[in-house]
Amino acid sequence: EADIYQTPRYLVIGTGKKITLECSQTMGHDKMYWYQQDPGMELHLIHYSYGVNSTEKGDLSSESTVSRIRTEHFPLTLESARPSHTSQYLCASSDPRNTEAFFGQGTRLTVV
Amino acid sequence: AQSVTQLGSHVSVSEGALVLLRCNYSSSVPPYLFWYVQYPNQGLQLLLKYTSAATLVKGINGFEAEFKKSETSFHLTKPSAHMSDAAEYFCAVRNSGNTPLVFGKGTRLSVIA
Repeated sequence: EADIYQTPRYLVIGTGKKITLECSQTMGHDKMYWYQQDPGMELHLIHYSYGVNSTEKGDLSSESTVSRIRTEHFPLTLESARPSHTSQYLCASSDPRNTEAFFGQGTRLTVV
Repeated sequence: AQSVTQLGSHVSVSEGALVLLRCNYSSSVPPYLFWYVQYPNQGLQLLLKYTSAATLVKGINGFEAEFKKSETSFHLTKPSAHMSDAAEYFCAVRNSGNTPLVFGKGTRLSVIA
């Protein structure tokens, strides 16, 4: 049973607001990931981390930033939300052997 | 570089019929391969994975997939579709190194009563 949690599940916010999407896992995984997914579309890797104080940008350019101060926590921040940021954001972590990834329920963000 | 191609963005089958979702991969090293399922407004759930053991992999909910190196394929099958199988299915690849999963574009499976 995977224990990875994302909050909020749904968020509607106005343009220009700063937002932080939370992701926490209780499995002690070193590796964590953020994917962006438009409705019915593929997943794009936007950020990943291989441990505390380690963050990397993914394949898809994103205006978001991430931090990894604690192993279990990998928040994603948008300093100034825009309608183009409207999407679903999925957080994942992978086990020590880095085989499968476990996913959270996702945060569906709408910027109006 | 790794990549995954899923043939068919939408597959429709009748209830009780065979399900076949196609996935071809590209990897310069022996890959790890995965199939995930996503239900509406949910995250992704692992169906099955290939990690260089048996080439025929059995997963949850009656799904299985066969790794065919000569065809660079990892197609997902289920003998008899159920209405509850209607969802989005994603194939993913990772090489044996320290890299994130790379996903295909997904295939939406519809099951007709």
